[in-house]
Amino acid sequence: SQTIHQWPATLVQPVGSPLSLECTVEGTSNPNLYWYRQAAGRGLQLLFYSVGIGQISSEVPQNLSASRPQDRQFILSSKKLLLSDSGFYLCAWSRRVAEAFFGQGTRLTVV
Amino acid sequence: TQLLEQSPQFLSIQEGENLTVYCNSSSVFSSLQWYRQEPGEGPVLLVTVVTGGEVKKLKRLTFQFGDARKDSSLHITAAQPGDTGLYLCAGWSYSGGSNYKLTFGKGTLLTVNP
Repeated sequence: SQTIHQWPATLVQPVGSPLSLECTVEGTSNPNLYWYRQAAGRGLQLLFYSVGIGQISSEVPQNLSASRPQDRQFILSSKKLLLSDSGFYLCAWSRRVAEAFFGQGTRLTVV
Repeated sequence: TQLLEQSPQFLSIQEGENLTVYCNSSSVFSSLQWYRQEPGEGPVLLVTVVTGGEVKKLKRLTFQFGDARKDSSLHITAAQPGDTGLYLCAGWSYSGGSNYKLTFGKGTLLTVNP
């Protein structure tokens, strides 16, 4: 069966520090991968999505970047965090227009 | 950018009441999905609707896709405290090449009081 792992679960980082969140998928190949950010109790904002290794589409201009160095690995990064980067970050995978499966999320607090 | 508008944003009702949540867009979607999310977890798929006018039932939940495939609704009958959560509609759209992306509405936060 397919599983998606996302870590860490929580993270507290100072303003100006770098960020690296990792997401890996097991049990499937060539998945579509997504990074979303969610404000408390609100909807999901699509940040990045990828249909293959090295292929990244950005939805919103921001202080973040994404990379896909391997087929089932998706990384969200920042060189210098801002206070506004705080939020709940969710990684997801899907097979094209089918169900999206989400990781457990990372709660990021920038202080 | 294709937007999905959900209403109401917040809903607090008593156990046993019925409710309807709406999801509207000015764009046509190839399919619409409804997810439910609990605090601190990722969303989980409830249903996918594909055909205009389609109605799907999942126990006490009834989902409808508009004829023009631009809107959808979720109706819950006899709500229970276990139905409490964030309900999100999401639509798949084609974004060029072999790319498809899943866009979410802002969600409806439902609280069912015992």
